[in-house]
Amino acid sequence: DTAVSQTPKYLVTQMGNDKSIKCEQNLGHDTMYWYKQDSKKFLKIMFSYNNKELIINETVPNRFSPKSPDKAHLNLHINSLELGDSAVYFCASSQGGHAGRINSPLHFGNGTRLTVT
Amino acid sequence: AQSVTQLDSHVSVSEGTPVLLRCNYSSSYSPSLFWYVQHPNKGLQLLLKYTSAATLVKGINGFEAEFKKSETSFHLTKPSAHMSDAAEYFCVVRGGATNKLIFGTGTLLAVQP
Repeated sequence: DTAVSQTPKYLVTQMGNDKSIKCEQNLGHDTMYWYKQDSKKFLKIMFSYNNKELIINETVPNRFSPKSPDKAHLNLHINSLELGDSAVYFCASSQGGHAGRINSPLHFGNGTRLTVT
Repeated sequence: AQSVTQLDSHVSVSEGTPVLLRCNYSSSYSPSLFWYVQHPNKGLQLLLKYTSAATLVKGINGFEAEFKKSETSFHLTKPSAHMSDAAEYFCVVRGGATNKLIFGTGTLLAVQP
């Protein structure tokens, strides 16, 4: 009964490869996010989708492409992986939309640790 | 613009003693404030949230935080630390035109036996 689940948990790959991380939430939320946590634990938002529509796209290289087939899923595809992409990527969801309920907390997945060698 | 500052990157306490994790925020709007906890190799879990109701907010696992507008602070406290409280704690502010969550840099809490 995991609320926000993301796969895989660990991903080790070489530079130049293309990889995807999948995320699913069963909370009925209408907004989903991708966050990147660097080695110093700093969390930064990458993307946010509300009802399958992209509403936040931070300064992220266009090698990163999110895809939301429905409001319960938000996948992250990364092309031409670079060493600097190594990080932990967190998926999250909330209800009310990003411009909606200010007090709506985010529910996070357990993260995907990406290591690029 | 909004920001949040966690004043201590590391805090170490003995088991059974009080915990204080400090957070100051800056916001042009009436913010919502949250504390999240992250245990090793885990996602972030919501501890508590402030949303302009009561200024003293109680959360899970015995944690609470007090919103002090005059001091722009939202410090997290717990009367008695437990070994299982050892984790990274993040103070988060939300609000403004974009309604984005802004995370603090985290405070690593160590609990000594």
